[in-house]
Amino acid sequence: EPEVTQTPSHQVTQMGQEVILRCVPISNHLYFYWYRQILGQKVEFLVSFYNNEISEKSEIFDDQFSVERPDGSNFTLKIRSTKLEDSAMYFCASSGGSSGRSTETQYFGPGTRLLVL
Amino acid sequence: GIQVEQSPPDLILQEGANSTLRCNFSDSVNNLQWFHQNPWGQLINLFYIPSGTKQNGRLSATTVATERYSLLYISSSQTTDSGVYFCAAGDTGNQFYFGTGTSLTVIP
Repeated sequence: EPEVTQTPSHQVTQMGQEVILRCVPISNHLYFYWYRQILGQKVEFLVSFYNNEISEKSEIFDDQFSVERPDGSNFTLKIRSTKLEDSAMYFCASSGGSSGRSTETQYFGPGTRLLVL
Repeated sequence: GIQVEQSPPDLILQEGANSTLRCNFSDSVNNLQWFHQNPWGQLINLFYIPSGTKQNGRLSATTVATERYSLLYISSSQTTDSGVYFCAAGDTGNQFYFGTGTSLTVIP
């Protein structure tokens, strides 16, 4: 069964450093997402991406965040200058959107656990 | 955005028992999913169920969209069912709004 993959599984970084989290969505999917989950809390939406541009973003997704689909398979989340409060599990997800809408099952990757020291 | 509330927040079951988890949402939805977060943090899809009823083995789910709630039924619970169960709802946009989850512990 196709699945979303994410690398790395764990990342430790120093405050102020840039990190890039990578995702490979399911190959025929059209919608891509990033979510985060701070330890012990609920999962929060960051951004959705369709047709090579951001389609929706939350208040959390400020100027320090950016997303990119550099090629036909990867989808990345960059955090420019990490802060302590960016420590969280980051999930990538994708959905088919074959109907032209994103109202289809979202499939989540295993997550990248980011620790900012 | 949509407010999603889940109950109960915590649940402890004896192995073999049945349980019902509830998800209330504040507005009409076009998308609703149930997830199981295992001890390693992975989010496992259980159901895509914006309306109606589905069953998969010992699990089943029902969403009554007009009354803005969804239920997840777990029958004959096993220790491997332990973890956090999340409900997530989406409207006409692309965002998913997650509830705060139900933490389930199944004891042998």
